Amino acid sequence: AQTVTQSQPEMSVQEAETVTLSCTYDTSESDYYLFWYKQPPSRQMILVIRQEAYKQQNATENRFSVNFQKAAKSFSLKISDSQLGDAAMYFCAYHHKLYGGATNKLIFGTGTLLAVQP
Amino acid sequence: KAGVTQTPRYLIKTRGQQVTLSCSPISGHRSVSWYQQTPGQGLQFLFEYFSETQRNKGNFPGRFSGRQFSNSRSEMNVSTLELGDSALYLCASSLGGVYNEQFFGPGTRLTVL
Repeated sequence: AQTVTQSQPEMSVQEAETVTLSCTYDTSESDYYLFWYKQPPSRQMILVIRQEAYKQQNATENRFSVNFQKAAKSFSLKISDSQLGDAAMYFCAYHHKLYGGATNKLIFGTGTLLAVQP
Repeated sequence: KAGVTQTPRYLIKTRGQQVTLSCSPISGHRSVSWYQQTPGQGLQFLFEYFSETQRNKGNFPGRFSGRQFSNSRSEMNVSTLELGDSALYLCASSLGGVYNEQFFGPGTRLTVL
């Protein structure tokens, strides 16, 4: 069974600084997606960034980028120029890419609570 | 487009009761997934519906059930509530293809006394 591990329950960063959140996963599959979701205190989960396993290039979305190391099964999120609005719980998630669209099931890590200090 | 809506937002029940939660997906989305979020277990997949059919199910007891209607709205039901069922229940909708982005609702906070 696939598992996702986030070893940092809490992190803190100064406004305008850079922070990296860690995520490792375990799977025997070769084709899958990885995601970072953000859950602000209001609780609505928002997709931050996604990575397709067969793509070598690391995904980037504005201030958010990932470091995807497929062999090491590592998927970290880097937030540059941190802003107060980045404060939230961040979840790493795995999706097995079943052909035929058989499922949208996500497997989540336990989350990292990020605090941004002004 | 309106986002995913969940009703009610908050619910208080007592042990042994049953509860029904509702999720209205984004217009045009045919897939609805449900997740349970607790401090101890984190986010766990309950089940997923696509075009009124359950196409995947998580490892939860039979007290947890769901269904999807022809308009893609989904309900989940928990019978014989236990204290451990207290959680935030999230639903997510997507178009339902091989991979389409999932959009989450705000959740229903269920408290079982």
